[in-house]
Amino acid sequence: DSGVTQTPKHLITATGQRVTLRCSPRSGDLSVYWYQQSLDQGLQFLIQYYNGEERAKGNILERFSAQQFPDLHSELNLSSLELGDSALYFCASSEDLTGELFFGEGSRLTVL
Amino acid sequence: QQQVKQSPQSLIVQKGGISIINCAYENTAFDYFPWYQQFPGKGPALLIAIRPDVSEKKEGRFTISFNKSAKQFSLHIMDSQPGDSATYFCAASRGSARQLTFGSGTQLTVLP
Repeated sequence: DSGVTQTPKHLITATGQRVTLRCSPRSGDLSVYWYQQSLDQGLQFLIQYYNGEERAKGNILERFSAQQFPDLHSELNLSSLELGDSALYFCASSEDLTGELFFGEGSRLTVL
Repeated sequence: QQQVKQSPQSLIVQKGGISIINCAYENTAFDYFPWYQQFPGKGPALLIAIRPDVSEKKEGRFTISFNKSAKQFSLHIMDSQPGDSATYFCAASRGSARQLTFGSGTQLTVLP
């Protein structure tokens, strides 16, 4: 158990809908990362937050957004969902900006 | 543009054998090269990591070999065990950041 908690574990929704994925980092970790894992694109970095502030953006679509709250949990919002958004979404956390990443077990999103 | 190329896509090894997975990178600014292990239904977990100022790093049965001039690095698993059966990902990042660029993954099967 990495100590990173992601909810929900599975989510099935329809095209055009909006979903929110939640991540609770390990206790004391200030940095949160979101990664997308799909069969065709592999594991891709989406976005990073550090102590509530956006730190870096990767291949994140404009339809996606994220935030990190004062209690350090993070949410990834996916809107106007398309079939191609079906993937595993991982959250990872680290103690600081350079520490080891600990990944959660992921949220599997299926868009029908 | 894929910046970290990983091979082979799949690998079958007999128990006790050596498993070798290779990665090549393009971005010479990368200076942190971790390997992750992922079991089905779980998130990636850090296995071992290396920086380009050393050519080899060993932790137990796992060794990273790094060739800076060739922009290649590899993972060697000695005395492979059935419990090592998993998907292995190489990755790279630059500076102090942990916005990782992942390889496409290698599915390792160790036969008993």
